[in-house]
Amino acid sequence: GAVVSQHPSRVICKSGTSVKIECRSLDFQATTMFWYRQFPKQSLMLMATSNEGSKATYEQGVEKDKFLINHASLTLSTLTVTSAHPEDSSFYICSASKDRGYGYTFGSGTRLTVV
Amino acid sequence: DAKTTQPPSMDCAEGRAANLPCNHSTISGNEYVYWYRQIHSQGPQYIIHGLKNNETNEMASLIITEDRKSSTLILPHATLRDTAVYYCIVRASGGYQKVTFGTGTKLQVIP
Repeated sequence: GAVVSQHPSRVICKSGTSVKIECRSLDFQATTMFWYRQFPKQSLMLMATSNEGSKATYEQGVEKDKFLINHASLTLSTLTVTSAHPEDSSFYICSASKDRGYGYTFGSGTRLTVV
Repeated sequence: DAKTTQPPSMDCAEGRAANLPCNHSTISGNEYVYWYRQIHSQGPQYIIHGLKNNETNEMASLIITEDRKSSTLILPHATLRDTAVYYCIVRASGGYQKVTFGTGTKLQVIP
């Protein structure tokens, strides 16, 4: 089956620093990946669509200069939270489709804590 | 994507069937019904999907009404490990359509 791996699973960083989260499709190529953010006791909120070889598409209200997305290969997308602040603390999840969008596999998520 | 409505929470006794309803009265003809679940602090897990016929797999059954305006996910013999938030999503299949999550149903399986 399709496997999507996220790394790291947990990260703690100091306020003002940047953090990079990786999302890899392990056994398939993914031209499109999605990034979500989830606050405690809330649903997943789509942040952006990551497209291999082109700029990401951000959802309304998501700051593209703060959440940098790079999709440089068919198996890797990265999300960099720049100049992180405590309010950026959240659970970040990526997803990808092995079969052109018919089904989606989600990563296990990254718990970011900014102190 | 069509909007869905789910009860915020449900309880189910262990070993009994869990029936989770979802209303999607504005579903379009080309939109499928998908179900995912999210166990605490994990990424969502795909369960099942269907267009208009009832579907069954090793995890669950999906019953879609004839008018397609509602559906029910059935976990035939709920276990404690089925405690999770269950999301019903309707979307067109293929073409990298975005998956947008609603609030879901928190299912608590009780020993």
